[in-house]
Amino acid sequence: AQSVTQLGSHVSVSEGALVLLRCNYSSSVPPYLFWYVQYPNQGLQLLLKYTSAATLVKGINGFEAEFKKSETSFHLTKPSAHMSDAAEYFCAVSDGGRGSTLGRLYFGRGTQLTVWP
Amino acid sequence: NAGVTQTPKFRILKIGQSMTLQCTQDMNHNYMYWYRQDPGMGLKLIYYSVGAGITDKGEVPNGYNVSRSTTEDFPLRLELAAPSQTSVYFCASQGGSTTDYEQYFGPGTRLTVT
Repeated sequence: AQSVTQLGSHVSVSEGALVLLRCNYSSSVPPYLFWYVQYPNQGLQLLLKYTSAATLVKGINGFEAEFKKSETSFHLTKPSAHMSDAAEYFCAVSDGGRGSTLGRLYFGRGTQLTVWP
Repeated sequence: NAGVTQTPKFRILKIGQSMTLQCTQDMNHNYMYWYRQDPGMGLKLIYYSVGAGITDKGEVPNGYNVSRSTTEDFPLRLELAAPSQTSVYFCASQGGSTTDYEQYFGPGTRLTVT
């Protein structure tokens, strides 16, 4: 079975500070992992994804995430926060079609990022 | 490509009324999904479909029905609306290939039941 835990429902940082959003996963097969961003009153947009190639994945808007199998983690980082990064971020796990759940995504509860000027 | 489109964007229903939320995708994706999003709860899967004519229940199917007669369309039907169905509803599609397990989301439908 697949599941995701996002530590911290709210994270606040100052503009220019490091952004770190935490995600731990559970998966019965080697996982595919995703980070999505949701801006107010919009749908979810893919930030980046890990599909068993390089463990350090770079996404849009300067975000990146590192897959750490030993820690079952896929934390999202950005070196310098911008006001426009304020949004809700969702981590998701999939079995990539290799397990019984046929590639379905399982989402965490989300982390609301606030960026202070 | 328009991607995934949803209509309506907003709707207010009275208790006991019915409605259909429309979802269309133009990416020829086999997999389609309906989620509801409630504050602080993430996304809950209502129903999903792996192709035309094939649907299955997700985590929270009670009070909803779906059909999938074409690859493009995946409407969600609410029968006898209840206040507990007040939520934001998202439709998503997925290619289902080994290189494309990401999901593409529509803009959502904000539903209020009073």
